[in-house]
Parts: sequence; structure tokens; C-alpha cells
Amino acid sequence: AQTVTQSQPEMSVQEAETVTLSCTYDTSESDYYLFWYKQPPSRQMILVIRQEAYKQQNATENRFSVNFQKAAKSFSLKISDSQLGDAAMYFCAYRRAQGAQKLVFGQGTRLTINP
Amino acid sequence: KAGVTQTPRYLIKTRGQQVTLSCSPISGHRSVSWYQQTPGQGLQFLFEYFSETQRNKGNFPGRFSGRQFSNSRSEMNVSTLELGDSALYLCASSAAGATNEKLFFGSGTQLSVL
Repeated sequence: AQTVTQSQPEMSVQEAETVTLSCTYDTSESDYYLFWYKQPPSRQMILVIRQEAYKQQNATENRFSVNFQKAAKSFSLKISDSQLGDAAMYFCAYRRAQGAQKLVFGQGTRLTINP
Repeated sequence: KAGVTQTPRYLIKTRGQQVTLSCSPISGHRSVSWYQQTPGQGLQFLFEYFSETQRNKGNFPGRFSGRQFSNSRSEMNVSTLELGDSALYLCASSAAGATNEKLFFGSGTQLSVL
């Protein structure tokens, strides 16, 4: 079974600084998708960024980028120029490329932005 | 386009009762998935429906069930509620349920079992 581990329950960063959230996963499959979701107090899960395992190039979305290390099974999220609106729970998630569409989530990292 | 709508937002029940939660997907989406979120177990997959058929099911007891209607709206039911069923229940929809599709989540139903 696939597992996702986020070893940082909480992180904090000064506004405008850069922060990196860590995620490792375990799978025996070679083709899959990795995601970072943000869950603000409104509780709605919002997709931040997505990475296809077959792509070597790291995904980027504006201030958000990932460092995908397939061999190490590592998938970290870097947030540049942190803003107060970035404060939320961040979840790393895994999904197989074939079969069930279900997401396997990590335990989450609570990110606080200090003004 | 309206997003994924879950009703009610909050619900309080007592042990032994049953509960039904509702999820209306984005218009045109045919796949609906359900997740349970608790502080202890985190986010866990419950089941996925596509075109009124359950395609996948997570490791939950038979007390958890669901269905999908012809308009793609979905309901999940929990019978004989236990204290441990207290959780945020999230619903997500996608167009065709393909693994490369983006999932859109609702804001969830917070269920408290007393």
C-alpha cells in the first residue's frame, strides 16, 4: 500500500520569506501523481500544485514550486515571498496513475505566516 | 460555474442514530469521491461513484454507504453512529473520474456524534 509522510506538523515563516515543506512517500509503482493541497479555515481543499512522476521537470505555479526527487521518493513544496493568505494546513497527496482515483494524504503541515 | 456544494455544513447526532450527507458536484462532473478527515487518522478515502455506480471503496465498515443519482448528486449514509464517526466529511468531484483529472473539493460537512 502507498503511504505519504509529512514530518513537520507545524512550520512558521516571516512574511515575504521563503519556506519549504517536506513530504516523502512510499510506492512500488513507477507512474503516479503527486499533489500539494492547501486547506484554509474554510475547510475547502484547494489544489496548489501537481507533479506527474514521469516528468523530470519540477512543477511550478507562480510562487509555488516543488522539488521532486523520484529515486529518493521525496516531494517538497517551496513557497516564495510568503503572504499572509498562505497560512493554512498543507497536505501532500499521492494518486496512482492507473486504477482507483483515490488520493492518499499525508498528515499535514500547519503553516503560520508571521507579519 | 458553481463549485462543489455539501449540505449541511454542520450536523450533531447522538450515538446509534443514522445520518445522510449530501454532495452536489460541479455541473457536468460525473465522478464524486468522499473522504473522512479526523485529527487522529487524517484524511481517508471512503468511496468513489461514477455514473451512479460505486467504482472504488476504502477500508470502512459496512455502516458507511453511499449512492449517486442520475444528476450526479451523491449522498453518503452512516448508520448506527459511533463517537469515532465524528469527523469532517469532504466530497470531491471530477469530470470523468480519470486519474489525471483535477479534483474539486467542497467545504465539507462537520459531523459531531455525542
